Amino acid sequence: QKEVEQNSGPLSVPEGAIASLNCTYSDRGSQSFFWYRQYSGKSPELIMSIYSNGDKEDGRFTAQLNKASQYVSLLIRDSQPSDSATYLCAVNAGGTSYGKLTFGQGTILTVHP
Amino acid sequence: DTGVSQDPRHKITKRGQNVTFRCDPISEHNRLYWYRQTLGQGPEFLTYFQNEAQLEKSRLLSDRFSAERPKGSFSTLEIQRTEQGDSAMYLCASSLGLARIGELFFGEGSRLTVL
Repeated sequence: QKEVEQNSGPLSVPEGAIASLNCTYSDRGSQSFFWYRQYSGKSPELIMSIYSNGDKEDGRFTAQLNKASQYVSLLIRDSQPSDSATYLCAVNAGGTSYGKLTFGQGTILTVHP
Repeated sequence: DTGVSQDPRHKITKRGQNVTFRCDPISEHNRLYWYRQTLGQGPEFLTYFQNEAQLEKSRLLSDRFSAERPKGSFSTLEIQRTEQGDSAMYLCASSLGLARIGELFFGEGSRLTVL
């Protein structure tokens, strides 16, 4: 079992729709969770972080965390073609690996006009 | 520009040769990370430093890989006796450490091609 799992997609949504990206993780001791966006040919950049159960909203982005289910999601409202990218879920482990960030394989999102 | 810089951006080498990559982090960041990424995959953790101390090294990393951060500033990643399977993008990232765990700032990467 991979430590962080994502559906690799591609996920295709029309412009203006809600894109829903999902991620599960295996380490119950994980303490913090992140979503990175990676445009083709570029490096990842942080877009959202979440540390406690529930929802966290930032503009068109909402991160959701359910530690009991070991599940993290990212919602993108009013999707735009410029949102087309690979979205990487990342998890910070607890214990002796605190500070090490483990990434999923990424979900490719395509927003079509 | 005060972002993370990596050098070289591209390296083509023959199998069996040694290569070294350099990373200069954002100046006030005390944590520095090395990741490797291949096409269609997420970044794979290699190692990370808190100042000059190497805190963890991936168990998947063979002894051909070594990293240093001698003065707690820039870092080097050396791959000895390169193999074709080492071909990848090598990403360096830095962070403010405990105050900003997980908030990594990545460099543009160093692409390695092993022929």
